[in-house]
This record gives sequence, structure tokens and C-alpha cells, in this order.
Amino acid sequence: GAGVSQSPRYKVAKRGQDVALRCDPISGHVSLFWYQQALGQGPEFLTYFQNEAQLDKSGLPSDRFFAERPEGSVSTLKIQRTQQEDSAVYLCASSTVRGGLGNQPQHFGDGTRLSIL
Amino acid sequence: QKEVEQDPGPLSVPEGAIVSLNCTYSNSAFQYFMWYRQYSRKGPELLMYTYSSGNKEDGRFTAQVDKSSKYISLFIRDSQPSDSATYLCAIFSNTGNQFYFGTGTSLTVIP
Repeated sequence: GAGVSQSPRYKVAKRGQDVALRCDPISGHVSLFWYQQALGQGPEFLTYFQNEAQLDKSGLPSDRFFAERPEGSVSTLKIQRTQQEDSAVYLCASSTVRGGLGNQPQHFGDGTRLSIL
Repeated sequence: QKEVEQDPGPLSVPEGAIVSLNCTYSNSAFQYFMWYRQYSRKGPELLMYTYSSGNKEDGRFTAQVDKSSKYISLFIRDSQPSDSATYLCAIFSNTGNQFYFGTGTSLTVIP
């Protein structure tokens, strides 16, 4: 596709339910990031993949959060036993790695807006 | 202390004004500096990117980095109503994998 695609755009779940958020990165992009953006805040890093390898998951707030990218393209962020504080926009971004990660612009999807009731 | 600090505003200016947006950062190891624009209910889009001290210009936008003061700025000349959005600064160091974002400054340009 032309850009990063995220689905669903909106997700409402009851506290305690599990949710799965999907990210389709730009074709050929090796790097994939997940961010959490609370209302009125900037994106906060959650995790980073290079191809299928999860190289950094230091930003995941608890062991209820799990991300995977099994074939190095589509990625899924799963949140188990959701809590109200999980309500936020979850953004996915992809990039190439030519010349180093910092040299390449990140292309963001429009996010999934998660509301936990 | 957060890695990057940004005044959240909101900032409201008349059309045609010069806008100045600023961030400070804490770690001198940071090497790459970016500005993103985010419209409501959209993902951030990259506006400017630089890795050196000094100025970088692109049309009406100028990014300025002062590494000695750990201070970065974005200037918007001849501001337009379509510039109304949230502007996020972001920084990156090659010693890690993380991009650190500011909280964003909400800008409204009044026609």
C-alpha cells in the first residue's frame, strides 16, 4: 500500500477483555515501531522490530502488552486483561534502515483509538 | 526529567505571523532532531529533519539546532490556517533504538 495502515481505527472494549491491534507497514520497510499516545501527549515508545526480530521492548508498560511480527511485515500489538489506563491512541510507524535508524524518516499510520470502559 | 521537554501551548496567532516552536533536551548524546506535524485524528508526518547544529530551511519552515544549549526550534513564516495542528519535536541517538517525542505544541492560525 501507499502508507502505513492500522486497523481497527477505533476499538471499544470492556475492562478485562483482550484486544489485538494490527499494523500493515509500508512494503519493504524493515523497521517497525509501536507507540502509545495519551491525550495531549506525544507518542511514547513501546517496542521496535527489525524484520521479525523484536530488538527493543523496553517501553512496554507491563507483561499484559505483547507485540509480534512473525513474517517481518504485518505486526500485531496485543493487550491482555485491559485496564482503563490502557485507553490511548496506539500508533505504528515504519522506516528503512539505510544509513542507520536515525537517518530515516518514520512513516506513521493514523493509529488505533482504544477506549476501555 | 524527561529526555525532551516542549511547551504544550496552546499557541494562537493571526494569519501571516511568524511562529516559533521550541524544545529542550537533556542528553548531549542525541544526534538527530526532527519536527513532526500532527493533525487531529491523524498520525504524525515528518516536516523537518537535521543532525547538525545550525539552520535548515525548507520553504516556509526553518529548523534550528543549538547543541551547546540542547535547544531546538522550528520557525514557520507567513503562517497559514492550514498550519493549524500539533507540532511535535523528536530526537534520536544512535546508542539506542528509541525516538523520544516532546508533548507537542498545539498551534492555531486565525484567518
